[in-house]
Amino acid sequence: EVQLVQSGAEVKKPGESLKISCKGSGYSFPGYWIAWVRQMPGKGLEWMGIIYPGDSDTRYSPSFQGQVTISVTISADKSITTAYLQWSSLKASDTAMYYCATRRGPTTEFDYWGQGTLVTVSS
Amino acid sequence: QSALTQPASVSGSPGQSITISCTGTSSDVGSYNLVSWYQQHPGKAPKLMIYEVTKRPSGVSNRFSGSKSGNTASLTISGLQAEDEADYYCCSYAGTTTDFGGGTKLTVL
Repeated sequence: EVQLVQSGAEVKKPGESLKISCKGSGYSFPGYWIAWVRQMPGKGLEWMGIIYPGDSDTRYSPSFQGQVTISVTISADKSITTAYLQWSSLKASDTAMYYCATRRGPTTEFDYWGQGTLVTVSS
Repeated sequence: QSALTQPASVSGSPGQSITISCTGTSSDVGSYNLVSWYQQHPGKAPKLMIYEVTKRPSGVSNRFSGSKSGNTASLTISGLQAEDEADYYCCSYAGTTTDFGGGTKLTVL
């Protein structure tokens, strides 16, 4: 059975750093893309980016990749079948539920979803 | 503002059929047969219901079906049941990115 288990809810202050995780099991972790999807309070789904754990090929949505800097960083450690989403300096506008999900390819559907990690950024 | 346009809400009575539309452009829905649909109940993670426009994952009821015409994709739910009440999101590959619709709240009357 494919499972994606995400780390627990976080409460942070603006300017702090954060790294949340998504552990995959029940499938060949290196061979499937892992995507991150944001859902702000009361809002819809937004694709943030994807990573292929097999070779760490990473692609970001233009909405989350600024012209100079990337607002978030996606990474993965295939040795422990875990993907990560991290921020170096959180903003209040980062408050949202974050989901990880598998994809067969960089253009395909989101097959399986984690339970979500709620990130709250407040002073 | 979402790249794909969905009605904010639809409703139907048990046993009836409803259709949710998802309007994009020739750069996304119109160019690729890579439209998928997701069901999300309150407080839960989304669930894949339809992929590649018309395909149903194993375990998804055959009451759910998808179609596409030009730049508009549609999700049809037949024989509405109370458990179908949820938010539904369409999604399409768009060349260099992946776009979601704004979501449609389905109410079963």
